[in-house]
Amino acid sequence: DSGVTQTPKHLITATGQRVTLRCSPRSGDLSVYWYQQSLDQGLQFLIQYYNGEERAKGNILERFSAQQFPDLHSELNLSSLELGDSALYFCASSLGTTQETQYFGPGTRLLVL
Amino acid sequence: GENVEQHPSTLSVQEGDSAVIKCTYSDSASNYFPWYKQELGKGSQLIIDIRSNVGEKKDQRIAVTLNKTAKHFSLHITETQPEDSAVYFCAASWDTDKLIFGTGTRLQVFP
Repeated sequence: DSGVTQTPKHLITATGQRVTLRCSPRSGDLSVYWYQQSLDQGLQFLIQYYNGEERAKGNILERFSAQQFPDLHSELNLSSLELGDSALYFCASSLGTTQETQYFGPGTRLLVL
Repeated sequence: GENVEQHPSTLSVQEGDSAVIKCTYSDSASNYFPWYKQELGKGSQLIIDIRSNVGEKKDQRIAVTLNKTAKHFSLHITETQPEDSAVYFCAASWDTDKLIFGTGTRLQVFP
């Protein structure tokens, strides 16, 4: 158990809808990362937050947004969902210093029908 | 931009044999190379990492080698066991927290 929790575990929704994925980092970690893993693909970095502020951005679509709250939990919002958004979404956390180990949550499996 | 290629995509070995997974990175500024293991239904877990000032690192049955000139690094697992079966991802980064991952290798160890 990495100490990173993600909810929900599974999510089924329809195209055009909006969903929110939630992540709670390990105790003491200040950085949260979001990754997307599509079928047979590697982990694609979406975005990183550090202590409430956006620190780095990857190939995150404009339809997607994230935030980190004062209690350090983070939410990833996906809107105007398309079939191609079906994927595993992982959250990871780290202490926040450069190149520290990232601890991954179990992921949220999103299926868009 | 930074790209990491990983081979093979699938690898089957007999228990007790060695397994080698190779990755190539594009950005010569990359200086940190972690390897993650992803078991079914679980998040990825760091198993070993190496920094650019070191050519090789070993931890029990797992070792990683880095060739900066050729811009590639490899994961070596010796004396494989069925519990080594998983998907393995390599990654690279350069002075940031942003990790660029390879596409993964599905390792299957047969008893």
